[in-house]
Amino acid sequence: QKEVEQDPGPLSVPEGAIVSLNCTYSNSAFQYFMWYRQYSRKGPELLMYTYSSGNKEDGRFTAQVDKSSKYISLFIRDSQPSDSATYLCVPGGGFKTIFGAGTRLFVKA
Amino acid sequence: SQTIHQWPATLVQPVGSPLSLECTVEGTSNPNLYWYRQAAGRGLQLLFYSVGIGQISSEVPQNLSASRPQDRQFILSSKKLLLSDSGFYLCAWSAGGTETQYFGPGTRLLVL
Repeated sequence: QKEVEQDPGPLSVPEGAIVSLNCTYSNSAFQYFMWYRQYSRKGPELLMYTYSSGNKEDGRFTAQVDKSSKYISLFIRDSQPSDSATYLCVPGGGFKTIFGAGTRLFVKA
Repeated sequence: SQTIHQWPATLVQPVGSPLSLECTVEGTSNPNLYWYRQAAGRGLQLLFYSVGIGQISSEVPQNLSASRPQDRQFILSSKKLLLSDSGFYLCAWSAGGTETQYFGPGTRLLVL
């Protein structure tokens, strides 16, 4: 079983849509959860960081963590063409950080 | 503020040739440093990490090696490249004791 799994996509949505990106992980020792955004041919950049179950909001982005089911989500409201990128789910803990393969998102103008 | 540099941005090398990729970090001291490889459509594979000068941990046995000659310099090398070494190489840093990693712009390597 992979330590972190994401649907690779691509996910294509119209501008203004609400986007839901999901991820599951297997290691119950993971204590922190991050989302990175990676534009084509660029390095990943940190988008969201959370250390607990529940929701964390930052502008149009909301990260949701459910440790009991080992399920992580990222919601994007009012999606924009500039949100078109690959989103990496990154759980970690116990001196280990695992980068998911990412979900490709296309937001059509 | 901290910045991380990688060069070159793109590299095309023949099979069997040597490799040297360099990464430097500015604006911080004693960072943890990482080398990753990202194959097309795949996740990030951790190759090496370093918590200090001369301290290198290898995650995956392979054709590559890493060195950290200075606090903020991390070098990825190979004596003889293989076709399977092609990929997108990313350097990252984190502050000691923290989890967040910050990535450089990457080097795209094509071995022919």
